[in-house]
Amino acid sequence: DVVMTQSPFSLPVTLGQPASISCRSSQSIVYSDGNIYFNWFQQRPGQSPRRLIYMVSSRDSGVPDRFSGSGSGTDFTLKISRVEAEDVGVYYCMQGTHWPFTFGGGTKVEIK
Amino acid sequence: QVHLVESGGGLVKPGGSLRLSCAASGFTFSDSYMSWIRQAPGKGLEVLSYIGRSGTDINYADSVRGRFTISRDNAKNSLFLQMDSLRVEDTAIYYCARTARQFSDWGQGTLVIVSS
Repeated sequence: DVVMTQSPFSLPVTLGQPASISCRSSQSIVYSDGNIYFNWFQQRPGQSPRRLIYMVSSRDSGVPDRFSGSGSGTDFTLKISRVEAEDVGVYYCMQGTHWPFTFGGGTKVEIK
Repeated sequence: QVHLVESGGGLVKPGGSLRLSCAASGFTFSDSYMSWIRQAPGKGLEVLSYIGRSGTDINYADSVRGRFTISRDNAKNSLFLQMDSLRVEDTAIYYCARTARQFSDWGQGTLVIVSS
């Protein structure tokens, strides 16, 4: 199975400051069609996960532009340019290239 | 607007069975792959199974293969998960999600508790 390793496990951030979460896959996640099925999800407390980013860097409709995704090969990053209170929650990376599709262990973003 | 509503969760004894349902609306259900994902209490996310548009492309995680069965009814815009031989470790919130590789939309989840 492809192992998705996220860091850090916990990320205390000051409001208005940037934040960055890393995710590394244990092998290439480029699919045979050339696409990279890599996504970022946000799970606010008590809520279902919500997709923020798909295909590494495409932002979902309604997602604030302070969220951005980047990466290639086996290393990927989610950046929040200026953290707001509503960004508190757990963030998961996920690969949908190789079955079984796998999630990272999660990064808990909290306000200092 | 996409809407996914899971139902069918509850308390069941080890070895028992449950059938989860997911009612879909707001999109062309028959055009979408669908998936089931679970989250054990306080834990991360595990993809269990996906099913193709016509129901012929199916895959399962090793943890549930042979015990769980995914199916769909395109006429009723519904997704199902038949769960047999349930174990304590199957206790989790079960989510249905739209698509297989990208999970664009999620339901609110249904809680399954397996306990004697």
